[in-house]
Amino acid sequence: DTGVSQNPRHKITKRGQNVTFRCDPISEHNRLYWYRQTLGQGPEFLTYFQNEAQLEKSRLLSDRFSAERPKGSFSTLEIQRTEQGDSAMYLCASAGGGNTIYFGEGSWLTVV
Amino acid sequence: DQQVKQNSPSLSVQEGRISILNCDYTNSMFDYFLWYKKYPAEGPTFLISISSIKDKNEDGRFTVFLNKSAKHLSLHIVPSQPGDSAVYFCAASLLNFGNEKLTFGTGTRLTIIP
Repeated sequence: DTGVSQNPRHKITKRGQNVTFRCDPISEHNRLYWYRQTLGQGPEFLTYFQNEAQLEKSRLLSDRFSAERPKGSFSTLEIQRTEQGDSAMYLCASAGGGNTIYFGEGSWLTVV
Repeated sequence: DQQVKQNSPSLSVQEGRISILNCDYTNSMFDYFLWYKKYPAEGPTFLISISSIKDKNEDGRFTVFLNKSAKHLSLHIVPSQPGDSAVYFCAASLLNFGNEKLTFGTGTRLTIIP
């Protein structure tokens, strides 16, 4: 399967700890997105990469959040000093030659 | 400001009948629209899309209609099947500005009754 891959799928962490999620996009997709989804809401845009360049960041992405895509392939999303409000599903998506964005299965974060 | 709205949080439809899911948007600059289907604990799965230069796009049992003057789109599923039970999200983007970033609605939970 060459779809978008995310890990870990589930993460439970204590408040104040750091967590990191990894995303492997579809091969040769140069555009990569991170979204966050909470219960009862649609996915909300966090940030966007074209190759290794981070081109856009949402105001939702506080200073505790950082995303990287060092070689233009996989990406990581790190949350420092987690808070209970960070509990959500973190979705990665990628896009290639077409206009459609394809999502991974998501990474659930629970902050206790 | 919710730029993409799905005003029906839930919808129940008998198996074999037509399911119609609605979506409204406020930003007239949106020019590309998509529908995604989502099962619990999974990521959204792309279903069908439509460009603003069209008013209809069909793919198998799924048809999307776009009414630009009303800023409204709808997804028709015919015939509805039990496997269609999921949450459906409408999304929009500004492709003319070279930006695929999606703005999503809050979703409609579709339940197909056998």
